Amino acid sequence: SQTIHQWPATLVQPVGSPLSLECTVEGTSNPNLYWYRQAAGRGLQLLFYSVGIGQISSEVPQNLSASRPQDRQFILSSKKLLLSDSGFYLCAWTTGLAGGYEQYFGPGTRLTVT
Amino acid sequence: SQQGEEDPQALSIQEGENATMNCSYKTSINNLQWYRQNSGRGLVHLILIRSNEREKHSGRLRVTLDTSKKSSSLLITASRAADTASYFCATDGWNTGFQKLVFGTGTRLLVSP
Repeated sequence: SQTIHQWPATLVQPVGSPLSLECTVEGTSNPNLYWYRQAAGRGLQLLFYSVGIGQISSEVPQNLSASRPQDRQFILSSKKLLLSDSGFYLCAWTTGLAGGYEQYFGPGTRLTVT
Repeated sequence: SQQGEEDPQALSIQEGENATMNCSYKTSINNLQWYRQNSGRGLVHLILIRSNEREKHSGRLRVTLDTSKKSSSLLITASRAADTASYFCATDGWNTGFQKLVFGTGTRLLVSP
């Protein structure tokens, strides 16, 4: 069965510090991968998605970046965090096939920038 | 921008009652999905309804889709305290064959014992 992991679960970082959040998927090959951010009490905002190794598409211009060094690994990074980067970050995957398949979400990382 | 808008934003009911949440969207869709999120957790897929379907059931869940009104509803029957969560609708549009979902802002459901 497929499993998606995210770490860390919670993170408190000062403004201006770097960020690295990791997401890995087990039990599937060549998934489409996504990074979302959720502000408190709000819906999900798609940040990045990837259809394959090294292929990243950005949805929202900001000081975040994403990388996919391996088929089932997706990393969200920042060189210098802003207060506005605080939020709940969710990684998700779906099969790369067409057809309207559901997305499977990780447990999320709660990021607080102080 | 977010396409789905849920209504109401918050709903409080007693156990055993039915809960109905509505979702409206703006453009043509291929599919509409409903997800559930417990506080501080990831989202869990509940049900997917395709644009050529009008109604779908899964256990205590019933979803309807009216493409002419660009709206969907999620009905949870005989609610339980464990149904307390936020519920999101999500619609998909195709971008070079890649599935992207646009999520609404969600309905927070509180079911009291």
